[in-house]
Amino acid sequence: GAVVSQHPSWVICKSGTSVKIECRSLDFQATTMFWYRQFPKQSLMLMATSNEGSKATYEQGVEKDKFLINHASLTLSTLTVTSAHPEDSSFYICSAREVARRETQYFGPGTRLLVL
Amino acid sequence: QKEVEQDPGPLSVPEGAIVSLNCTYSNSAFQYFMWYRQYSRKGPELLMYTYSSGNKEDGRFTAQVDKSSKYISLFIRDSQPSDSATYLCACAMNTGFQKLVFGTGTRLLVSP
Repeated sequence: GAVVSQHPSWVICKSGTSVKIECRSLDFQATTMFWYRQFPKQSLMLMATSNEGSKATYEQGVEKDKFLINHASLTLSTLTVTSAHPEDSSFYICSAREVARRETQYFGPGTRLLVL
Repeated sequence: QKEVEQDPGPLSVPEGAIVSLNCTYSNSAFQYFMWYRQYSRKGPELLMYTYSSGNKEDGRFTAQVDKSSKYISLFIRDSQPSDSATYLCACAMNTGFQKLVFGTGTRLLVSP
């Protein structure tokens, strides 16, 4: 149980284009989903917290107009990187938290983004 | 100073060895402590979590928290080559778990 999927697993795009990443909880309902970014040899850094039906909360230094988050249902959250640039190239990982188990986050497999 | 410090390694051990992985943290408000395992190019997988100080054992894994020294440890007994991965510690406060603060991860290599 507690499986989280992400799609796509990797994406290469040209600078200036937008990329959408999906995060789904497959066998549980997640009122809260989290989006992280991980650069090589660095720790996971929380970008934003996404609550179903409300606006996302962004961490300091993360541009909300550049990283659009939508949490339209209890099983789906999307992250759109708008006008991507090479410095946005990273490993993006989502996690989801079960309603009944607030202390545990289940992570997706990640999406590797390369912006040329 | 980072809130959670972790030696990046790599830590190389022979199969069967006891492995000790450690983190220190600076925020005394942290109450929950977690260990995740991350294989290359995959998302983290929760191994164990501990509330406040004390020990917790699960099979070959033991998590230990010493809040007085702000030190957390993960011990792996009888290590296997399949344990080779990056181990991340994470801390959270007692207020809704809105934010996990991760260490950089320690890369572990267990050789057959």
